[in-house]
Amino acid sequence: GAGVSQTPSNKVTEKGKYVELRCDPISGHTALYWYRQSLGQGPEFLIYFQGTGAADDSGLPNDRFFAVRPEGSVSTLKIQRTERGDSAVYLCASSSPIGRSGANVLTFGAGSRLTVL
Amino acid sequence: GQNIDQPTEMTATEGAIVQINCTYQTSGFNGLFWYQQHAGEAPTFLSYNVLDGLEEKGRFSSFLSRSKGYSYLLLKELQMKDSASYLCAPREASGTYKYIFGTGTRLKVLA
Repeated sequence: GAGVSQTPSNKVTEKGKYVELRCDPISGHTALYWYRQSLGQGPEFLIYFQGTGAADDSGLPNDRFFAVRPEGSVSTLKIQRTERGDSAVYLCASSSPIGRSGANVLTFGAGSRLTVL
Repeated sequence: GQNIDQPTEMTATEGAIVQINCTYQTSGFNGLFWYQQHAGEAPTFLSYNVLDGLEEKGRFSSFLSRSKGYSYLLLKELQMKDSASYLCAPREASGTYKYIFGTGTRLKVLA
């Protein structure tokens, strides 16, 4: 697609429920990143994929959080047994190369705002 | 480990120049990015430095000193629409290449 698409844009759930957040990256972008952002803070790294595999999942806070990208395109972030502290905006970004350095510019989606009551 | 330090808030007047500093410590280094984030919106890319020196891009410039772990973003001829958070994001190079974001600097531009 033309941009990074995230659904749902807003999700309200109750403590203890299961939640899935979806990210559809820019077509052809091989790297996909998930971040979490709380009010007044910068984006906090969760996990990134290179193709289908998780290249770095060191930011996932605990085993309630899991992410997949089975076909190397769409990714789903899954949160089990949600807690009030999980409330945040979950941002997805995909990347394109820049210059000769190999560093990639991140293009972010609009985010999924999760509220756990 | 990683540590990124930026001022929390800055205020400047329309038409003025403002410099937002960022110091960082990362596990390896593969470039530093600056992003702009308006309230309630996603971050958008502003600039990128991988070598020491100044990169100029219209009203925005960014500087990098790798030996000092230091960067700044310079905004000239400030406009009201520049009121936003500015995020410093060095990219690590320690086996994986994740981007680590600072807490951001909230800039208020006053008329």
